[in-house]
Amino acid sequence: KNEVEQSPQNLTAQEGEFITINCSYSVGISALHWLQQHPGGGIVSLFMLSSGKKKHGRLIATINIQEKHSSLHITASHPRDSAVYICAAILNDMRFGAGTRLTVKP
Amino acid sequence: NAGVTQTPKFQVLKTGQSMTLQCAQDMNHEYMSWYRQDPGMGLRLIHYSVGAGITDQGEVPNGYNVSRSTTEDFPLRLLSAAPSQTSVYFCASATQRNTEAFFGQGTRLTVV
Repeated sequence: KNEVEQSPQNLTAQEGEFITINCSYSVGISALHWLQQHPGGGIVSLFMLSSGKKKHGRLIATINIQEKHSSLHITASHPRDSAVYICAAILNDMRFGAGTRLTVKP
Repeated sequence: NAGVTQTPKFQVLKTGQSMTLQCAQDMNHEYMSWYRQDPGMGLRLIHYSVGAGITDQGEVPNGYNVSRSTTEDFPLRLLSAAPSQTSVYFCASATQRNTEAFFGQGTRLTVV
């Protein structure tokens, strides 16, 4: 069993829908990192959080340390949000989930 | 501000050839790392460095070497390429080991 599990693996939504991507981890962590990988392949950092909630534009990330669970929410989804979203649990090094492929259709 | 720059973007090697993947950052970050990304799997750590002159192995180091002679550069060497090393390779940097990471654009390597 992977230390970091993401669900769903694939997600297709209509433009405007509310999106939730989940990340569960089995190790104790100091923080959790949410990353976005676009079809071109580059990886960009979205959030790094160790407690509570962070918001940036239409993106919201939450984490529950006790339950070892984090969620990434996208409000009013748009086709440009189509990407692979990756969570990484940080202890000494990052342990990555396999990613969630999101497709938002117009 | 270039951030993390990886070269080349694409490479095809024959089995047994050697090559070096280049990684440079201009953010004065102490921590640099190399990952490989394979289909259906999360990124896996190959090697990392916490500062110039210091390197260590990650989860999947076999077949790869690294060095860190300067803060800016962290090249990854494939000693004798094997088809199992066909993957997408990412370099990343961070101010410290457990802080926000910044990734390069990746190198898609195919070993035939």
